[in-house]
Amino acid sequence: GENVEQHPSTLSVQEGDSAVIKCTYSDSASNYFPWYKQELGKRPQLIIDIRSNVGEKKDQRIAVTLNKTAKHFSLHITETQPEDSAVYFCAASKRGNKLVFGAGTILRVKS
Amino acid sequence: GAGVSQSPSNKVTEKGKDVELRCDPISGHTALYWYRQRLGQGLEFLIYFQGNSAPDKSGLPSDRFSAERTGESVSTLTIQRTQQEDSAVYLCASSSQGINNEQFFGPGTRLTVL
Repeated sequence: GENVEQHPSTLSVQEGDSAVIKCTYSDSASNYFPWYKQELGKRPQLIIDIRSNVGEKKDQRIAVTLNKTAKHFSLHITETQPEDSAVYFCAASKRGNKLVFGAGTILRVKS
Repeated sequence: GAGVSQSPSNKVTEKGKDVELRCDPISGHTALYWYRQRLGQGLEFLIYFQGNSAPDKSGLPSDRFSAERTGESVSTLTIQRTQQEDSAVYLCASSSQGINNEQFFGPGTRLTVL
């Protein structure tokens, strides 16, 4: 089955700097890659997703890139702000199969 | 519209007791997932329901765990003979079609086994 690995497990950045979180997946048939943000004590919420027919997607300060050949995808957050501090989960799935999550990255933005 | 709801929000029980957790998905969502999240940990998949198909139970950690879903509506997760290691937040999520679509999470049930 699908296996998703996520790095780093924790990431500290200075406010205003960029943050990058990387994930790799094992099943080359996977075609959907969402990213979820979970603030302390709250439920995970989707922040951006990408499908395998595109290589990059942007939404304001966040972007996701996908390299299907290498089977990895990354989340990029620019101009980080304290409210970006949270746990971020990547995930992967293929049509008809359940979503498989990475282990999560704790992002701390220091002001 | 209404999101995914779960009840109870908190449950404290004694070791050895059975507990039942409830999830009400978003109306019209055919797919429903249960996850377990231990303190400071990631999302541990438990079970997945998709329409009338047989559920994917591959994540259930032991035979003390079971879940049911009535049609495309409410689901209950039952834990029998609870153990202290069952203490966690149990999250439910639903999605439309169940295939490559956004999962909407409920607020979770925090289970504490004394």
